[in-house]
Amino acid sequence: NAGVTQTPKFQVLKTGQSMTLQCAQDMNHEYMSWYRQDPGMGLRLIHYSVGAGITDQGEVPNGYNVSRSTTEDFPLRLLSAAPSQTSVYFCASSYSGNTNEKLFFGSGTQLSVL
Amino acid sequence: AQRVTQPEKLLSVFKGAPVELKCNYSYSGSPELFWYVQYSRQRLQLLLRHISRESIKGFTADLNKGETSFHLKKPFAQEEDSAMYYCALSGPRVQGAQKLVFGQGTRLTINP
Repeated sequence: NAGVTQTPKFQVLKTGQSMTLQCAQDMNHEYMSWYRQDPGMGLRLIHYSVGAGITDQGEVPNGYNVSRSTTEDFPLRLLSAAPSQTSVYFCASSYSGNTNEKLFFGSGTQLSVL
Repeated sequence: AQRVTQPEKLLSVFKGAPVELKCNYSYSGSPELFWYVQYSRQRLQLLLRHISRESIKGFTADLNKGETSFHLKKPFAQEEDSAMYYCALSGPRVQGAQKLVFGQGTRLTINP
């Protein structure tokens, strides 16, 4: 089992460029989510999904889009990158999203927007 | 609203000394609380959760509802405990899923 796989590990963008951060899990988890990690602010939830075809906003959704066409994949799209989106992004999944389940995290994507 | 506060960004202790990482939360209902840890060059991973009342790697954490705290403790620190620690809170499921709220994190350094 690979667990949660994120690509790319590093990315540098110019302001206004678009890109997609990929996330895939092979544990048949229904719940998947995206967090951003910023110094002094911890991890903040961007978007989440409770199953294929179902997504919802988290704490900081502006500037990001998601879709969930399959159980395995949950890509995060930046349509027009801004310097404020410079961060480390983590994808996480759990079996069903129950409150006492542990989250499995990917290794992260370090994004710099110039 | 759910909120988690870790008042110490950095904490440095000597090997063999006791460790306490503070976590305070704000939540009106019955919270589920967790500690997650990120070791150098490793993924963020669950350390322990209050519902399990377990001790992992010598760490324990007790939920104190009166003080709304969930401090992480270890009686004798080891060098391998050096890592970033996050306290996290989960409230009831909203639209079918948990929303885990993380604190700002505390970077723990154990000095030899």
